[in-house]
Amino acid sequence: GAGVSQSPSNKVTEKGKDVELRCDPISGHTALYWYRQSLGQGLEFLIYFQGNSAPDKSGLPSDRFSAERTGGSVSTLTIQRTQQEDSAVYLCASSAWLPSTDTQYFGPGTRLTVL
Amino acid sequence: SQQGEEDPQALSIQEGENATMNCSYKTSINNLQWYRQNSGRGLVHLILIRSNEREKHSGRLRVTLDTSKKSSSLLITASRAADTASYFCAKAGAGSYQLTFGKGTKLSVIP
Repeated sequence: GAGVSQSPSNKVTEKGKDVELRCDPISGHTALYWYRQSLGQGLEFLIYFQGNSAPDKSGLPSDRFSAERTGGSVSTLTIQRTQQEDSAVYLCASSAWLPSTDTQYFGPGTRLTVL
Repeated sequence: SQQGEEDPQALSIQEGENATMNCSYKTSINNLQWYRQNSGRGLVHLILIRSNEREKHSGRLRVTLDTSKKSSSLLITASRAADTASYFCAKAGAGSYQLTFGKGTKLSVIP
C-alpha cells in the first residue's frame, strides 16, 4: 500500500499568515507523529497521536502551533501568525504502535519558508 | 538534551570503501534505529536494533550495539555514490513513543 504522504511539498508564506500542513499516514497505523527539522539539524519532536487517546503536545514550541487528527487518520498541523523562525521542513511519521516495538515510517515532508 | 549523537558530523570516502558512523546516547534504550535522509526530505528507515541484540545485518549494512558503552555503529560496506546522504540514529526509550534524533552524519561517496 501507499506510504505516508504529506501536502503541500513546499509552502512559501508571508510572516503573520496562518498555514496548514497535511499528513496522510499509512492505513491502519494507530500512531502519528509530527517532527520539525531546521536546516542542518536533527529532528525535533512536536506532537504525537495514538488512537483515540489525548495527543502529547509537549514538543510544540509555542501556542501558535496546533494539530488535530480526524477520524484517527489524517492529521493537520496548523501554524498561526507564522514567524521566520518557523521556516523548516515539517515531517510526519506513522507507526503501527510504539517506536519501542515498531518502525516509524516518514513522509517526504513539507518545506515551509516564511518570508 | 539530545540523545543519539552521531560521529563524525561529515564523512567523505571513495566509492567502494567502507563507511562507519557512530552514535552515542545517554540513557537506557529499548531500541535504536538508523535512518537515511536524502536532500533534506523524508527519512528512510534502515535498521532497528533492540537493546538485547548486539549486531544486525541488512544487505551491505551492519549495525552493532554496545549497551555498556551506550553506543552504536552503522557500517556500510562497498559504498556506492547512491549512498550519499545524511544518516541519523534515533533512540526509543522503554515504552516511549518518542524517537530522539541526533544531528546526523553527512556521508559523501565520491565516484
